[in-house]
Amino acid sequence: SQQGEEDPQALSIQEGENATMNCSYKTSINNLQWYRQNSGRGLVHLILIRSNEREKHSGRLRVTLDTSKKSSSLLITASRAADTASYFCATDGGSSYKLIFGSGTRLLVRP
Amino acid sequence: EAGVTQSPTHLIKTRGQQATLRCSPISGHTSVYWYQQALGLGLQFLLWYDEGEERNRGNFPPRFSGRQFPNYSSELNVNALELEDSALYLCASPGLSFSEQYFGPGTRLTVT
Repeated sequence: SQQGEEDPQALSIQEGENATMNCSYKTSINNLQWYRQNSGRGLVHLILIRSNEREKHSGRLRVTLDTSKKSSSLLITASRAADTASYFCATDGGSSYKLIFGSGTRLLVRP
Repeated sequence: EAGVTQSPTHLIKTRGQQATLRCSPISGHTSVYWYQQALGLGLQFLLWYDEGEERNRGNFPPRFSGRQFPNYSSELNVNALELEDSALYLCASPGLSFSEQYFGPGTRLTVT
């Protein structure tokens, strides 16, 4: 079963607006990652945040991690139509070999 | 440096048949991870191969199996296909820190 839950399940915004997605998980982790998936294709790695980090930035992406609440958020600023995709969080569940994925958020950016 | 490659892109099989999916990891990387993304079930860990050995498997029946070759490429075999095996099968290679995983484009398996 999936460890993580993401909300919202779907998000529709206008180009230029910010998009925020949230992820919750259940077990202890070493790190949490965010991935993007376009139209049911392969996953693109976006950003990794370690359990001892609280915030991380990469370009228009900002990720926060609250290990006390077992939650993370992904903020995409100044969204573009090309950001339309599904976004997944994934944790290592404390292991070194597998990723445990959230249920994903479908983001639609309207031009 | 080439990324993770997978073949075929699409595969259509009938119930009861066998499917073979292939993956080549990032050049020089010894580990391969397989995941299944089925509709309504999300992404689930299937198998992990490293240095030619199966290191761990997810909660899947034994008819899901595979192997890893000396060049570190990998095959995933699904025997006695069932309709619910229809899914996108993704293969991944770890990054340099072994924390990130980098995914191939996937093989979409349709069982009719």
